[in-house]
Amino acid sequence: DTGVSQNPRHKITKRGQNVTFRCDPISEHNRLYWYRQTLGQGPEFLTYFQNEAQLEKSRLLSDRFSAERPKGSFSTLEIQRTEQGDSAMYLCASSLAGGVSQKNIQYFGAGTRLSVL
Amino acid sequence: AQKVTQAQTEISVVEKEDVTLDCVYETRDTTYYLFWYKQPPSGELVFLIRRNSFDEQNEISGRYSWNFQKSTSSFNFTITASQVVDSAVYFCALSGEVNNAGNMLTFGGGTRLMVKP
Repeated sequence: DTGVSQNPRHKITKRGQNVTFRCDPISEHNRLYWYRQTLGQGPEFLTYFQNEAQLEKSRLLSDRFSAERPKGSFSTLEIQRTEQGDSAMYLCASSLAGGVSQKNIQYFGAGTRLSVL
Repeated sequence: AQKVTQAQTEISVVEKEDVTLDCVYETRDTTYYLFWYKQPPSGELVFLIRRNSFDEQNEISGRYSWNFQKSTSSFNFTITASQVVDSAVYFCALSGEVNNAGNMLTFGGGTRLMVKP
């Protein structure tokens, strides 16, 4: 079990550019989540997938943000026309669906830190 | 709406001292789950524990213990005989009923624990 992997670890971009992050969940985990964490704050939920279906989106996810999970495996989060306010750590987590035992525990990756200049 | 409050933003202790991190939550769900995660400087959130709302038994795991009190909506975390390696930001989190869209985690603001040698 290799854990949740996120790439890149760091991304510096200029305002107005588009950026894309990738998340590879723990294999066989059917749920995948994206969170955003700003400095000194707790993570805030953005969106989640069960398999390839995007089931929930936060109001934080403006129309400049789009997430995909083709084939229910890895996921990408794209931010178009980046703004300085988008600077944050973007965390991905995965879990097995279900309520018992080790299911429904979200395991996190190390995140992608985005800096918009 | 769900809310998690960690009133202690920063705690500093000397190695071998015991320390308790407070967590208070709000939810209208009758079934819910509470979590603690550790975030070391590397950034990855490390899962520590999950408790469901029907199980109020306290739990001990090595130097870690958790006190869940439904009557006061609290889920406090105690580290006994703290060590320098315990230095990190600790997050308390809450999720709703497992198979609802409210499966996402709501995090508190975190408590930064510094353990000095």
